[in-house]
Amino acid sequence: GQNIDQPTEMTATEGAIVQINCTYQTSGFNGLFWYQQHAGEAPTFLSYNVLDGLEEKGRFSSFLSRSKGYSYLLLKELQMKDSASYLCAVPQAGTALIFGKGTTLSVSS
Amino acid sequence: EPEVTQTPSHQVTQMGQEVILRCVPISNHLYFYWYRQILGQKVEFLVSFYNNEISEKSEIFDDQFSVERPDGSNFTLKIRSTKLEDSAMYFCASSEARGRAGANVLTFGAGSRLTVL
Repeated sequence: GQNIDQPTEMTATEGAIVQINCTYQTSGFNGLFWYQQHAGEAPTFLSYNVLDGLEEKGRFSSFLSRSKGYSYLLLKELQMKDSASYLCAVPQAGTALIFGKGTTLSVSS
Repeated sequence: EPEVTQTPSHQVTQMGQEVILRCVPISNHLYFYWYRQILGQKVEFLVSFYNNEISEKSEIFDDQFSVERPDGSNFTLKIRSTKLEDSAMYFCASSEARGRAGANVLTFGAGSRLTVL
């Protein structure tokens, strides 16, 4: 089965950089996903890593180490609108994603 | 941009009643999913559907639940005899991947909030 662990909450200030960590255990690895979920809204796709290393996409980057079962999401130049939950997810046996509990990020001015 | 649409956005029902939640997945997507999120908790997988049959399901998806693709566009989740603990946001999602290769990105609908009284 899958086991995903993320910090519950984080706080940061506008303009700062924040790193949200995720550790996972899966029976077979087929990539790791990050989703963003604003309160009361649906999760939206942010990034996907299947190979080790850093994937950069604008202000957001995601890193993967398969040997360590570890990923992080890096958010730069934080804005108030980045206040949201960030969900780490891995595929189950087929195509369905299993989500972690999410990290709630609060950005203050 | 293509989107997954869900109806109703909010439904209130009495305990023991049957509820049907409806979803229209993105038109060229082949995999369909239902997830639920109880208030303040994590997004939980219920079931995935491909080629007119269930491909995966979780322990939550018991005999109380069923899914159906009644026509070429709709995908429904039926909850028989609702219980108080079924109160949650139910998200439909779809993806276009045919198998395990590549980034199988799930696109979620806005959700249907179910309140069981």
